[in-house]
This record gives sequence, structure tokens and C-alpha cells, in this order.
Amino acid sequence: TQLLEQSPQFLSIQEGENLTVYCNSSSVFSSLQWYRQEPGEGPVLLVTVVTGGEVKKLKRLTFQFGDARKDSSLHITAAQPGDTGLYLCAGAYVQGAQKLVFGQGTRLTINP
Amino acid sequence: KAGVTQTPRYLIKTRGQQVTLSCSPISGHRSVSWYQQTPGQGLQFLFEYFSETQRNKGNFPGRFSGRQFSNSRSEMNVSTLELGDSALYLCASSRQLFNEKLFFGSGTQLSVL
Repeated sequence: TQLLEQSPQFLSIQEGENLTVYCNSSSVFSSLQWYRQEPGEGPVLLVTVVTGGEVKKLKRLTFQFGDARKDSSLHITAAQPGDTGLYLCAGAYVQGAQKLVFGQGTRLTINP
Repeated sequence: KAGVTQTPRYLIKTRGQQVTLSCSPISGHRSVSWYQQTPGQGLQFLFEYFSETQRNKGNFPGRFSGRQFSNSRSEMNVSTLELGDSALYLCASSRQLFNEKLFFGSGTQLSVL
């Protein structure tokens, strides 16, 4: 069974600070997605990374896929209260059929 | 374009009862997946349906079942409810089978008393 470990599980910082969330595994993934989930809602896809070493930017968010496609990071610059939410990484792999495994999530709180 | 719609939003049931949850995917999306989300286990994959057939299945007991209709709408059923079945049940749709780009609904919050 493929596992994805996210760290930290909880993070509370002040507005304007930078932060990095990590998603690690001992398994190789064909792609990795990052989602953000707000209370009372389902996860919303932020980005998909496919190539080892790939870096994608979405405004103040920077996503990186590890060279070996086993890990990923999400870096937020100058965090804002609107960034508050549960951030989930999900890795796709093939085991018979293509499967998607989710990390436990990082609950991020940005304090004004 | 309407998003993924799940009904009902909230459900309260007692142990031993059964429950049926409904999901309408985004128009044009033919794959529907179901996930269970709990604080302790995170998001766990239940099953995926495409063209009215279950194509992929997670590690849940047979009490959890689903089906998909010809219009791609899907239902999942949980029989003989247990306290541990209390969770947020999320439905996600995608254009094709085994597509990692998922669009989630807001979920059905099930409480089993």
C-alpha cells in the first residue's frame, strides 16, 4: 500500500510569514496533486505535477515535485488569512488500476 | 457549469440502519469516485464507477456499495451502520476513468448514533 506522509499536521502562523508544507513517501508516483479544502466544502484541486524536479507557481504558492517523484513541497510566500484551510497532497500510482492516495493533510491557520 | 452536487448535506442515523447518498457529477464527466473522510484516517478511497460499472475499489467492507446510472449520477449505500461509519462522504467526478484531476462535491456529513 502506498503511503503519503504530510508534515506538519498543524501550522499556525502570522499574516505575512512564509511557510513550507511537505509531502513524503518511499514510493514513486506517476503524478502528484495538491488540494485545498475549506470547512464544509470538498477539496479543490490547486495543481498537478508530473515530471521529477518540476516546479509550478500559482501566485504566492510554489509547488515542487521531487527529482525521484517520491516527495513534494508547497511553499507559500507572504501568507494571508485567505490561505487558511486544509492542504492535501495526493499521489497517483498504478496497481492494477490507477489509484490515488491522499496524505493526512496539513491544517493551516493564518492569523491576521 | 454546475459543480458536483451531493445530497443530502447532513444525515443522522442510528446503528444498524442503512443509508443511501446521492451524487450528480459535472455535466460531461463520466467517472464518479467516492471517498470517506475522517479526522483520524483522512481521505480513504471507496470505489470508482465509469459507464455504470465499478472499475476500482478500496479496502472497505461489503457493507459499502454503490452504483452508477446511465446519466452518470451515482449513489452509494451503507448497510448495517456502525458508529465508526460517521464521516464526511465525498463524491468526486472526472472526465475519464482513472483521471487524477478530481472535482469534489461538498460532501454528505453522516453521523451514526
